[in-house]
Amino acid sequence: AQSVTQPDIHITVSEGASLELRCNYSYGATPYLFWYVQSPGQGLQLLLKYFSGDTLVQGIKGFEAEFKRSQSSFNLRKPSVHWSDAAEYFCAVARYSSASKIIFGSGTRLSIRP
Amino acid sequence: DAGITQSPRHKVTETGTPVTLRCHQTENHRYMYWYRQDPGHGLRLIHYSYGVKDTDKGEVSDGYSVSRSKTEDFLLTLESATSSQTSVYFCAISYRELSSYEQYFGPGTRLTVT
Repeated sequence: AQSVTQPDIHITVSEGASLELRCNYSYGATPYLFWYVQSPGQGLQLLLKYFSGDTLVQGIKGFEAEFKRSQSSFNLRKPSVHWSDAAEYFCAVARYSSASKIIFGSGTRLSIRP
Repeated sequence: DAGITQSPRHKVTETGTPVTLRCHQTENHRYMYWYRQDPGHGLRLIHYSYGVKDTDKGEVSDGYSVSRSKTEDFLLTLESATSSQTSVYFCAISYRELSSYEQYFGPGTRLTVT
């Protein structure tokens, strides 16, 4: 069965520091992978997605993610965080040909230290 | 902006009462979804629809029913609300007909069952 693991429940980084949020997935074939962000009291916004091709994908707000098949990982990175990046981040995986099968991780809450 | 609205945005109801949440989209997308979000669980799929009158169950469908009589509206009904259904409910649409599997979310409905 598909699953998504985000091992860090809560991360705090200083403003201006680099960020890496971890995501591991379990799926037999090449999945479709996503990162979403949720600001407090808001819905989810798509940051970036990976379907195929270049394993380093760029997203909105200066985020990027790298698909590593050998490690079953899709980690999210940002070189320098801003206070406005404080939010909850969700990794998700979808299976080709299945409308229902988008599985979300449990989320990582990001706090920014001034 | 995927043109998704949810109503009501907040609701408090008593145990045993029926509740209906509405999701409305303006772009005629075929695929629509209902999720619930609870701390530590990320988002979990309740039901989804792949067309008018075409619906199917997700991973946490017990106690919920859905209906879709028009492309633009997807209704979620709690026939007899229980305290375990206190949650934030999100509707989403997918651009799957464009071979794009990402989902776009509404602003959410916060439901409290007392």
